[in-house]
Amino acid sequence: RKEVEQDPGPFNVPEGATVAFNCTYSNSASQSFFWYRQDCRKEPKLLMSVYSSGNEDGRFTAQLNRASQYISLLIRDSKLSDSATYLCVVNKAGTALIFGKGTTLSVSS
Amino acid sequence: DVKVTQSSRYLVKRTGEKVFLECVQDMDHENMFWYRQDPGLGLRLIYFSYDVKMKEKGDIPEGYSVSREKKERFSLILESASTNQTSMYLCASRDTSSSYEQYFGPGTRLTVT
Repeated sequence: RKEVEQDPGPFNVPEGATVAFNCTYSNSASQSFFWYRQDCRKEPKLLMSVYSSGNEDGRFTAQLNRASQYISLLIRDSKLSDSATYLCVVNKAGTALIFGKGTTLSVSS
Repeated sequence: DVKVTQSSRYLVKRTGEKVFLECVQDMDHENMFWYRQDPGLGLRLIYFSYDVKMKEKGDIPEGYSVSREKKERFSLILESASTNQTSMYLCASRDTSSSYEQYFGPGTRLTVT
């Protein structure tokens, strides 16, 4: 089983849609969880950390289910500017971050 | 703002050449990383360094070496470049004091012909 698995997509949605991405991780000792965003031909940048209680940042909501080793990202009211690749990332203390291969989102008008 | 810079955005080298990719960060981060990113394979960790003069192999270290003589600088070396090392190379540094967020440089697109 791969360490971090994501559906590569692409997810093609119209503006204003709600879209959800899922991610599973294999190492139950993982301690920190993140979503990164990568625009075409650019470097990845942190979108948000994921906390056990779930957290929200504007139109973005991240959730963590430790029992199922599952992370999700929900984007409400999608904008054209949300088009990007979203990387699920996990970390165990003292090691490098482990990146999923990413899920591609394309928002169209 | 954290800044991670890489010496070149684009590089073209010939097979067999020795290639140096330089990365500099200005936030006094202890941890630094080198990844390569290829379509369909995602980000793969080549080497990382927890501190000056320390290095650890990542998932795909073969054909690469690294150097960390100063805290702010982490170099990736391709001893004898091969065509299968054509890729996007991304350097990152990490803040271990709080969120473990990694900050990436803009990347170097290396083509080996």
